[in-house]
Amino acid sequence: NAGVMQNPRHLVRRRGQEARLRCSPMKGHSHVYWYRQLPEEGLKFMVYLQKENIIDESGMPKERFSAEFPKEGPSILRIQQVVRGDSAAYFCASSPPGSQGNQPQHFGDGTRLSIL
Amino acid sequence: LAKTTQPISMDSYEGQEVNITCSHNNIATNDYITWYQQFPSQGPRFIIQGYKTKVTNEVASLFIPADRKSSTLSLPRVSLSDTAVYYCLVGDHQAGTALIFGKGTTLSVSS
Repeated sequence: NAGVMQNPRHLVRRRGQEARLRCSPMKGHSHVYWYRQLPEEGLKFMVYLQKENIIDESGMPKERFSAEFPKEGPSILRIQQVVRGDSAAYFCASSPPGSQGNQPQHFGDGTRLSIL
Repeated sequence: LAKTTQPISMDSYEGQEVNITCSHNNIATNDYITWYQQFPSQGPRFIIQGYKTKVTNEVASLFIPADRKSSTLSLPRVSLSDTAVYYCLVGDHQAGTALIFGKGTTLSVSS
């Protein structure tokens, strides 16, 4: 049973380019979350999505960042006109449907974004 | 969301039992306590979750006193491969709830 899959694992972009990070949740999971981690820091929440809906984007910068989770295919985190400060590890997590508590999120191994 | 406090780092030797304590004084009634482990260049991995008393699985035990203001993750007989960062998180953890990560506890296991 495959876990959360993220690709690419490493992505290098020059300032001003676009970065696209992809995440396929675990089978049967309909909730996707994106987090960002800077070196020596804990993960910081960015956005929470369900299929075709952004539910909570309170942690995502208003400019240049967008996320989607289409009906078919992986979730995409898109960063336009990247800057050096966007260099970080970006993690995706998923959880199963339902509103009960006790629903641990399962994480992928991240995409390490480096901006030259 | 309840704030957590845990030691920045801990050192241990192979074969020892390691206990990492997390304080969460303002934990709410609906909150669960969840621990994650993270190795370098990997995503956090769920270890254990509990609400009260004691929870045990094949990896660790979680001890939660009656007042729930703290919790202790216990790793029996650690090995070098247990060297990692351990995060204590508190929240209702319902679907859609953002997880709040602190800086965690860096555990270093030596031979």
